[in-house]
Amino acid sequence: AQSVTQLGSHVSVSEGALVLLRCNYSSSVPPYLFWYVQYPNQGLQLLLKYTTGATLVKGINGFEAEFKKSETSFHLTKPSAHMSDAAEYFCAVTHPGTGFQKLVFGTGTRLLVSP
Amino acid sequence: EPEVTQTPSHQVTQMGQEVILRCVPISNHLYFYWYRQILGQKVEFLVSFYNNEISEKSEIFDDQFSVERPDGSNFTLKIRSTKLEDSAMYFCASHRGSNEKLFFGSGTQLSVL
Repeated sequence: AQSVTQLGSHVSVSEGALVLLRCNYSSSVPPYLFWYVQYPNQGLQLLLKYTTGATLVKGINGFEAEFKKSETSFHLTKPSAHMSDAAEYFCAVTHPGTGFQKLVFGTGTRLLVSP
Repeated sequence: EPEVTQTPSHQVTQMGQEVILRCVPISNHLYFYWYRQILGQKVEFLVSFYNNEISEKSEIFDDQFSVERPDGSNFTLKIRSTKLEDSAMYFCASHRGSNEKLFFGSGTQLSVL
């Protein structure tokens, strides 16, 4: 079975500071990994995903994540936080092969950005 | 960017009543899903649907739940007799091809009283 663990239900940063949201996964097969963002009253929006190939993945809004197999991690970073980054962020995992995207989500991390 | 549309945004119902949650996936998409999120808990997979049939369902998706794509554009989730524990945000999602980007709707908040 697959799972993801997101450390920290809330992360607070100042505007301009580094954003680091942690995600560790468990999977018996090479995983596909995702980060989604949810703004208030909106659906889940894909930030970035890792499938195969380059382990450093760049996404929208200046976010990136690095797949580290040895650490079973897929942490999300952004060099400089913006007020508009305040949202809930979800890490998710699935396994390739079927073409379907039955995602297993983490519990989410709420990012708070202060001026 | 294209959107998955869900209606209504909020639904309140009495325990034991039937509810139908509606979704309009993106028009050229072929794979359809329902997920739900109980307040404070993880987003959970309920069911996937492809080629007019259920391809996989979770253990949450018991015989009180059903899905339908009645007219080639709508994708509905029916709960036959709602329970208090069905209260959650329900998300519809779709994608076109295998492993292509999954698009989520903004959700329907279901409250069962």
